[in-house]
Amino acid sequence: DTGVSQDPRHKITKRGQNVTFRCDPISEHNRLYWYRQTLGQGPEFLTYFQNEAQLEKSRLLSDRFSAERPKGSFSTLEIQRTEQGDSAMYLCASSLEDHGTEAFFGQGTRLTVV
Amino acid sequence: AQKITQTQPGMFVQEKEAVTLDCTYDTSDPSYGLFWYKQPSSGEMIFLIYQGSYDQQNATEGRYSLNFQKARKSANLVISASQLGDSAMYFCAMRELSSQGGSEKLVFGKGTKLTVNP
Repeated sequence: DTGVSQDPRHKITKRGQNVTFRCDPISEHNRLYWYRQTLGQGPEFLTYFQNEAQLEKSRLLSDRFSAERPKGSFSTLEIQRTEQGDSAMYLCASSLEDHGTEAFFGQGTRLTVV
Repeated sequence: AQKITQTQPGMFVQEKEAVTLDCTYDTSDPSYGLFWYKQPSSGEMIFLIYQGSYDQQNATEGRYSLNFQKARKSANLVISASQLGDSAMYFCAMRELSSQGGSEKLVFGKGTKLTVNP
């Protein structure tokens, strides 16, 4: 088990371009979360999946953002028409349904919009 | 209103000494969980310790212990025998049960940057 894996680790894109990030959770974990972390802040919740169902989306997730988890395994987060304000670290985490304890995080994808 | 407050933007400690990182929280939910994560410069969030609201004893994990004072709504992290590798950002977080879909998400504080000096 290699833990939660995120790809790419870094992405530089021009304003207006679309980007897609991938997250592979720990294999037996059915809960998957996306968070965003800007400089000097703690991570902020974006969205949550239980298996393939997206059960909650934060108000931070504008219409330009979409997340999927088609087979209840890996997930993708797409940002359309990127803006400079989208520059941040995007973190993925996974946990067991009745975890009660920790969520395991990936190493994140650092997005820079220029 | 801020739900997790970490009042120390930065802390310094001598190697081998103990250090306490402060965290206060705000919730009206009788059932909640409190977490501490470490974030080195590489970016990954590393789970350190967990305290449930109904746990009778303070949580301990190796050199980490959580000083849980429920009436004061505080959950301070104590690191004993600091090591140079402990230098990192430390985040306190609370598990919040959402009314939307029954999901549980973590709400994080702004973090404390710990520097361990040799």
